[in-house]
Amino acid sequence: AAGVIQSPRHLIKEKRETATLKCYPIPRHDTVYWYQQGPGQDPQFLISFYEKMQSDKGSIPDRFSAQQFSDYHSELNMSSLELGDSALYFCASSPDRVGEQFFGPGTRLTVL
Amino acid sequence: QQQVKQSPQSLIVQKGGISIINCAYENTAFDYFPWYQQFPGKGPALLIAIRPDVSEKKEGRFTISFNKSAKQFSLHIMDSQPGDSATYFCAGQKKLSFGAGTTVTVRA
Repeated sequence: AAGVIQSPRHLIKEKRETATLKCYPIPRHDTVYWYQQGPGQDPQFLISFYEKMQSDKGSIPDRFSAQQFSDYHSELNMSSLELGDSALYFCASSPDRVGEQFFGPGTRLTVL
Repeated sequence: QQQVKQSPQSLIVQKGGISIINCAYENTAFDYFPWYQQFPGKGPALLIAIRPDVSEKKEGRFTISFNKSAKQFSLHIMDSQPGDSATYFCAGQKKLSFGAGTTVTVRA
């Protein structure tokens, strides 16, 4: 069965650079969520989209922005990267706004 | 602030033993309580979930017990196997809020 696809899987950036993470949800899933997971931490909700509109916002820094495109894929844009942004970033998709969330394999971002 | 409190932080169990992880929540708007299993470097994967109108749900070796009045729920892993060694997160959902996670190590 198709799963959530995230790219890239690993990303290394310098401080103050920008990064773009991509998420391709499971086909026919119209809801996408972004999470940040630091080492030894639980995933923290950043932002979600339903039918290409932002549906909820969590602890997403102002330096980050995201959007969902017409094909339902989503991109998380991160600017002015800081060392503390180093984490695993997960995307999850859901067939509706309240159902089970299926997580992707994550993007490991390292900021040097 | 953690909306779902999870304990213990880690536990070690012998092969064939029972692993028990407990969670408590405050937000009575939660209407769905999933448990996720996460292996190192991988995304969380849904293990089992329960809705608050049910007191117990069993799937294979995994059982959720749910106490709505106490706002507590727990995961029991029966006949624990080395392959069960992972981090387990409980969660409450309207907006998915994770517990802090429990690292389970099953010794052969």
